[in-house]
Amino acid sequence: DAKTTQPPSMDCAEGRAANLPCNHSTISGNEYVYWYRQIHSQGPQYIIHGLKNNETNEMASLIITEDRKSSTLILPHATLRDTAVYYCIVRVGGGNNDMRFGAGTRLTVKP
Amino acid sequence: DAEITQSPRHKITETGRQVTLACHQTWNHNNMFWYRQDLGHGLRLIHYSYGVHDTNKGEVSDGYSVSRSNTEDLPLTLESAASSQTSVYFCASSPSLVTDTQYFGPGTRLTVL
Repeated sequence: DAKTTQPPSMDCAEGRAANLPCNHSTISGNEYVYWYRQIHSQGPQYIIHGLKNNETNEMASLIITEDRKSSTLILPHATLRDTAVYYCIVRVGGGNNDMRFGAGTRLTVKP
Repeated sequence: DAEITQSPRHKITETGRQVTLACHQTWNHNNMFWYRQDLGHGLRLIHYSYGVHDTNKGEVSDGYSVSRSNTEDLPLTLESAASSQTSVYFCASSPSLVTDTQYFGPGTRLTVL
């Protein structure tokens, strides 16, 4: 599975959009981009995933660049409850089921 | 609502004792996983199962075992607990190999003294 690079930490003002970047320059054509988050002491929570098209659900939007070498998770209106560590994971869908969590980005939403 | 639960949520045990952590899901998912999370290491896969009677070793399987006798449960056993196994343990499940988004339980904090 391709390796990902994320900034270790980011801050965001409450009510503003949080844009979390992820670089995955070695991604293969059959690898998906997954995003999870982990709020302190809780189990990781699935947010969204995509292959090459942009995706949106009730939690967030995922923007994947045309060359697929990077992506951005967007939380449109961040709240204090969105403070968490966000993980970007690249892996083959439907095959190896190992979710390789790296260090992630610690997002702090401030009032 | 369907869910995934883990028990106990907290456990303190002594070195050398056998410990079993329970994981139960009501989604009828085929795939189940056990991870451990330690500071500085993120989540690491211990064992996983693709269905009843199927078990596979993950990245850090030494000292752990699992068995899958039904779809809903994947208990994790530490045969002889060691202090190095002090960690937070997460169980996860996913529907199938095609729709394989994993959903995680709340975790079990295990301390081995």
